[in-house]
Amino acid sequence: DAGVTQSPTHLIKTRGQQVTLRCSPKSGHDTVSWYQQALGQGPQFIFQYYEEEERQRGNFPDRFSGHQFPNYSSELNVNALLLGDSALYLCASSLLSGRIPTDTQYFGPGTRLTVL
Amino acid sequence: AQSVTQPDIHITVSEGASLELRCNYSYGATPYLFWYVQSPGQGLQLLLKYFSGDTLVQGIKGFEAEFKRSQSSFNLRKPSVHWSDAAEYFCAVGSPLSNTGGFKTIFGAGTRLFVKA
Repeated sequence: DAGVTQSPTHLIKTRGQQVTLRCSPKSGHDTVSWYQQALGQGPQFIFQYYEEEERQRGNFPDRFSGHQFPNYSSELNVNALLLGDSALYLCASSLLSGRIPTDTQYFGPGTRLTVL
Repeated sequence: AQSVTQPDIHITVSEGASLELRCNYSYGATPYLFWYVQSPGQGLQLLLKYFSGDTLVQGIKGFEAEFKRSQSSFNLRKPSVHWSDAAEYFCAVGSPLSNTGGFKTIFGAGTRLFVKA
């Protein structure tokens, strides 16, 4: 059973550029969340996708956007990159059933983004 | 607002010694609580979780954690540390999302564990 996968593993961009990160959830999961983990800090919630819609967003600007596809995979897009966007971006998947999570979130290995 | 505090930025333990990592949370209702471990350059691996029931939770790799509502704590313990346990440990609380059900995970800042021979 494949876990959560993310691509690419590493990425180097320059300020002002745009980037797209990809995530495939664990088999059977329908919900994808994205987190940003800056160096030396805990992950911070960016947003969550369920039924192809953004359901909730953390304290991140509109430069951060996403998408969820019918197969539940997801993309995270960041526009107008800033040096401060350099971080490990983690994708987590879970199964949402009613209002109680039936499973915990499982995290992918992350994409390391470096902005120069 | 929900929050998680890990008071120790780093801890050094001798191999074979016992370990306790502290975690305090702020949450209005019964929390969903987690401990994750992250090795350098890696993603997060779930060690254990508490949703309800028995307040002493057993996890993988010989870890356990105890939920103490009166102290708002969820400390992680291991009786005998191995060199391979050296990593970053994150305590986290599940915070319900108002729009959908489900929850987001709020993490503490982490505790770096060093293991000395």
